[in-house]
Amino acid sequence: DTAVSQTPKYLVTQMGNDKSIKCEQNLGHDTMYWYKQDSKKFLKIMFSYNNKELIINETVPNRFSPKSPDKAHLNLHINSLELGDSAVYFCASSPASGVFEQFFGPGTRLTVL
Amino acid sequence: SQQGEEDPQALSIQEGENATMNCSYKTSINNLQWYRQNSGRGLVHLILIRSNEREKHSGRLRVTLDTSKKSSSLLITASRAADTASYFCATDVNNDMRFGAGTRLTVKP
Repeated sequence: DTAVSQTPKYLVTQMGNDKSIKCEQNLGHDTMYWYKQDSKKFLKIMFSYNNKELIINETVPNRFSPKSPDKAHLNLHINSLELGDSAVYFCASSPASGVFEQFFGPGTRLTVL
Repeated sequence: SQQGEEDPQALSIQEGENATMNCSYKTSINNLQWYRQNSGRGLVHLILIRSNEREKHSGRLRVTLDTSKKSSSLLITASRAADTASYFCATDVNNDMRFGAGTRLTVKP
């Protein structure tokens, strides 16, 4: 059984479109995260949610909006996609924020044309 | 902004040899973690070492932490071809996890 799952695995879309990436964890964790990994493999945290409350919001454009219907799901919605948004997006979860290992999903490769 | 920096960026060794990767960071940390990423996959947690610990072992992995030098090392002993992956260090600063760019390890059979 997959612990952290993301859909879709690949997403190819045109500039200006709006798209969503879904993430679900079945670990009963309280905290979920979204990361962006660029072509140079830098992994940058975008958001984290703890019990449906946003606790980290890095300097991410407001075109990106996390949505958490419940603590097992943290979806990422992106408006007006730009070329520079092309990257691999990873969802992760941990029992709580802080000193805990994080469990990562398989990633979603987003390509904006 | 990035916190940890791995060194070297890439490492190529023969199966059976040991692999050592280093991580340096800039600010005080609560803990440091090492993760592995196989090509096209998500990161997998390997080991966590707290700021008051100096060394930790897990199977063929050995992690050291020197807070005075703000550095950590990951040693993989008796490497195998299956160890081929990218290895990332991540530092926890006030509950905010920061990753480095990783070391790409290739183990040749």
